[in-house]
Amino acid sequence: KAGVTQTPRYLIKTRGQQVTLSCSPISGHRSVSWYQQTPGQGLQFLFEYFSETQRNKGNFPGRFSGRQFSNSRSEMNVSTLELGDSALYLCASSASYGPLEQYFGPGTRLTVT
Amino acid sequence: GESVGLHLPTLSVQEGDNSIINCAYSNSASDYFIWYKQESGKGPQFIIDIRSNMDKRQGQRVTVLLNKTVKHLSLQIAATQPGDSAVYFCADSGMDTGRRALTFGSGTRLQVQP
Repeated sequence: KAGVTQTPRYLIKTRGQQVTLSCSPISGHRSVSWYQQTPGQGLQFLFEYFSETQRNKGNFPGRFSGRQFSNSRSEMNVSTLELGDSALYLCASSASYGPLEQYFGPGTRLTVT
Repeated sequence: GESVGLHLPTLSVQEGDNSIINCAYSNSASDYFIWYKQESGKGPQFIIDIRSNMDKRQGQRVTVLLNKTVKHLSLQIAATQPGDSAVYFCADSGMDTGRRALTFGSGTRLQVQP
């Protein structure tokens, strides 16, 4: 069974731009969670989508948004990029809503200059 | 898991020895715990999980121990191999209290010496 895939793997953007990241979950998984990983803050939860609905949200500004499609694929959008948004963005999929057995993708490395 | 700063604690072990990686969590209402391994340039890899109604769970070469009294979690790796070198994270959540998102610890770097 194929794992979680994320595209693109690397991205360089300029401050003020916006970016969209994509995540395809493991086949059959209906939940997708997004995390931000930085050296200073570690792994922090952004939001979780299940059956096309956002079920849970972390403590991030409204510039961070997401959506999920009927095939469970998910996208995350960051608008008005700031230097501090440079991070590894990870998505994780699981069969059901919640934290149980989340499997991570390789991440998208975003650099904001 | 508790959020700490930039510098990861490091555990250095000899190949073939057993490794014990510790983790403290802060929320007494946490009821689900999970360990991940992250190698350089990769996403976290699921290792093993445990619910609060258990105090021990075993997998292949790994054992997780949970002590709810002192809010402590440990991961034991038997016969550590060079391929076990990575950063290990614990995470917790409180499903019964509605805190369904995972809270991650800062991680421990495991270095296996050949």
